[in-house]
Amino acid sequence: SQKIEQNSEALNIQEGKTATLTCNYTNYSPAYLQWYRQDPGRGPVFLLLIRENEKEKRKERLKVTFDTTLKQSLFHITASQPADSATYLCALYTGGFKTIFGAGTRLFVKA
Amino acid sequence: GAGVSQSPSNKVTEKGKDVELRCDPISGHTALYWYRQRLGQGLEFLIYFQGNSAPDKSGLPSDRFSAERTGESVSTLTIQRTQQEDSAVYLCASSLSRDTVSYEQYFGPGTRLTVT
Repeated sequence: SQKIEQNSEALNIQEGKTATLTCNYTNYSPAYLQWYRQDPGRGPVFLLLIRENEKEKRKERLKVTFDTTLKQSLFHITASQPADSATYLCALYTGGFKTIFGAGTRLFVKA
Repeated sequence: GAGVSQSPSNKVTEKGKDVELRCDPISGHTALYWYRQRLGQGLEFLIYFQGNSAPDKSGLPSDRFSAERTGESVSTLTIQRTQQEDSAVYLCASSLSRDTVSYEQYFGPGTRLTVT
């Protein structure tokens, strides 16, 4: 069956460190992958998109990698801040403009 | 500018009643999505509208769920004969046409539905 897996356990890191979140998928061949941020009680907010022919994408303190052989994307936040604490969702475009979301990983950045 | 808005923000209903949830997308966005998010879980795709094309209803969980969209504006999601398992946050998102580069979806704040 088709699955998207993100670490269900929360990630706790110290301010200033790099946070690395993982998104693994099976039985998909997505044309692109997106990362969203979701704060409690709010809808997700788009952060980055990476296409299947791109290995890496950066935006300010964010970096996303996409390995279609491993079927994995890594999402990095460098120099993390307490304000980065949120749930981060990965999403795959599977064709027909349907987007499949992972369950998300909660990130806590301690001051 | 105005983002995606949804109403009501909270809805408590009795099992067996019908509910109607509303979504106002960003003006000019031709694509509109509905998702369901149960507590602690990811977003579950329900339905997708693109312009005047037939909607993609493949995610609707049962025939109790239906959605409509008037042109490229307001959408309503209707749940008939609500069940307790329908309790969740219902999120609406809109995006530019399929020709956009980022396929970025802009989400509303959601409607929290509680079926008692």
